[in-house]
Amino acid sequence: TQLLEQSPQFLSIQEGENLTVYCNSSSVFSSLQWYRQEPGEGPVLLVTVVTGGEVKKLKRLTFQFGDARKDSSLHITAAQPGDTGLYLCADYPNAGGTSYGKLTFGQGTILTVHP
Amino acid sequence: EPEVTQTPSHQVTQMGQEVILRCVPISNHLYFYWYRQILGQKVEFLVSFYNNEISEKSEIFDDQFSVERPDGSNFTLKIRSTKLEDSAMYFCASRVFYEQYFGPGTRLTVT
Repeated sequence: TQLLEQSPQFLSIQEGENLTVYCNSSSVFSSLQWYRQEPGEGPVLLVTVVTGGEVKKLKRLTFQFGDARKDSSLHITAAQPGDTGLYLCADYPNAGGTSYGKLTFGQGTILTVHP
Repeated sequence: EPEVTQTPSHQVTQMGQEVILRCVPISNHLYFYWYRQILGQKVEFLVSFYNNEISEKSEIFDDQFSVERPDGSNFTLKIRSTKLEDSAMYFCASRVFYEQYFGPGTRLTVT
């Protein structure tokens, strides 16, 4: 059974600071998804990383995928209060060929950015 | 931009009652899912659906649960006899290739 561990669990910072959150897997990722979730709402897909060593940028967010495809990080530059939320990583533990099946989620990092 | 929609946003029901949660997946997607999230806990998988049949279900998805795609657009989750522990946010999701998109959720409160 694949286990996704996210760290830190909580992060509270001031506006303008930089931050990094991490997602580590007990087994090789197949297609790692990063989501952001606000209270009472559904997860919103931010990015998918598939290839080891891959780096993707989404405005002030930079996603890195480890070479061995067992770890990933999300770096936010100059955080803003609007970045506040729960950041989740998720993967397909039973992926094979073109079949992906269900997603397994980490427990998330709760980010609070204070004005 | 296409999105997954869910109704109702909030459902309050009494223990033992039946509820139906509705979802409209993104139109060109073929794979559909239900997940739930109990307050303060992880998002957890319930069931996946493809080609008009269940492709995978979790241990949570027992005989009290059922899913249906009654027409070309809707995807429903039915709980036949709700329990207090069914209180949670229920999310519908649909997938194209490996990208899975979630709806805004239905908050189910069982009293």
